[in-house]
Amino acid sequence: GAVVSQHPSRVICKSGTSVKIECRSLDFQATTMFWYRQFPKQSLMLMATSNEGSKATYEQGVEKDKFLINHASLTLSTLTVTSAHPEDSSFYICSAEQGNGQPQHFGDGTRLSIL
Amino acid sequence: AQSVTQPDIHITVSEGASLELRCNYSYGATPYLFWYVQSPGQGLQLLLKYFSGDTLVQGIKGFEAEFKRSQSSFNLRKPSVHWSDAAEYFCAVGSGGSNYKLTFGKGTLLTVNP
Repeated sequence: GAVVSQHPSRVICKSGTSVKIECRSLDFQATTMFWYRQFPKQSLMLMATSNEGSKATYEQGVEKDKFLINHASLTLSTLTVTSAHPEDSSFYICSAEQGNGQPQHFGDGTRLSIL
Repeated sequence: AQSVTQPDIHITVSEGASLELRCNYSYGATPYLFWYVQSPGQGLQLLLKYFSGDTLVQGIKGFEAEFKRSQSSFNLRKPSVHWSDAAEYFCAVGSGGSNYKLTFGKGTLLTVNP
């Protein structure tokens, strides 16, 4: 149980393009979803926390207008990288939490490459 | 602020040997502690977690970890490593309760020699 699906797994696109990444909890309702960014050979850095039906809470230094997060239902959150540039290239990972102190379950990540 | 230190960036062991990956944390109250494993290009898989109770925690794939409050440590161990254990291992601390945030260590890359 507790499967999180992230799509797409890899995106290659031109600079200036907007890219949407989906994160779905397949067999549970996620009260909270998290978006992380991971640079090569680095740890995961939390970008934002998203609760269903409310605005996401962004970590310090993360541009909310650049990284748009929508959490429209208890099983789906989306991250849109707007007007992406090469410096936005990274590995983006989402996680979902059932609540009640249960651990976060992670998606398989999205490799974003901006040319 | 909470923080996690994984002192070993890269560890190499022989298949069949024992393994210990170190993790030290900084947190003002009783932490929620986790070990995750990441294979190349993949997401994170939860190995085990500590919330409260018995300080020796058993996880999947034969891993265990021991919470030592006096040392602020949560080291991961496995008595006999398999080649398939080669991966990146992350220790994380959470603030507890619902909607808690995780803070990750920088990870330890495990290489297993045949």
